[in-house]
Amino acid sequence: ILNVEQSPQSLHVQEGDSTNFTCSFPSSNFYALHWYRWETAKSPEALFVMTLNGDEKKKGRISATLNTKEGYSYLYIKGSQPEDSATYLCASHNAGNMLTFGGGTRLMVKP
Amino acid sequence: GEEVAQTPKHLVRGEGQKAKLYCAPIKGHSYVFWYQQVLKNEFKFLISFQNENVFDETGMPKERFSAKCLPNSPCSLEIQATKLEDSAVYFCASSPRGLGNEQFFGPGTRLTVL
Repeated sequence: ILNVEQSPQSLHVQEGDSTNFTCSFPSSNFYALHWYRWETAKSPEALFVMTLNGDEKKKGRISATLNTKEGYSYLYIKGSQPEDSATYLCASHNAGNMLTFGGGTRLMVKP
Repeated sequence: GEEVAQTPKHLVRGEGQKAKLYCAPIKGHSYVFWYQQVLKNEFKFLISFQNENVFDETGMPKERFSAKCLPNSPCSLEIQATKLEDSAVYFCASSPRGLGNEQFFGPGTRLTVL
């Protein structure tokens, strides 16, 4: 069983603050790291799929980096807005044909 | 369709009854994945399909859970003789080309076993 860990579990920030959180995953037999944004009672929405060490991806105010050698990825949100409030899930694809999800980071942005 | 559709939205079953959940993947997507979300955010992988073939079933509790993806039909996940601990939200996701690509999730089916 793989261990994919996310920290912190939850985070409260003020509107306009920039923030970041971490996903750690096994570095052995690594294939891909996924990030999803999930609002309760809705479908998780894909943000990024990253495969290469050193990769950095960006979508609007959200960006992510990947370090496959040490097994971690950071997700950054610049200038948080209340609509960014959601749970951010990462999932790792290592050997085998499945994704292993972390427990998520719940972000709450106060206006 | 352009979205993953899951039915029903909610399902309530007495312990020991059968439950059947359906998922229609996005048209043209070859891969279908089923996840069980029990605790707050924990998504547990159950099974995946490549077209109608099982791709990976390492997460499936084999005794009571079964799943199918038949041509020209929605995929299904069936639980025989449900137990209280089967209460969860079951998410289906589809992907065009497997695990190197993003997965598109459905809205989930909430199963409550009483």
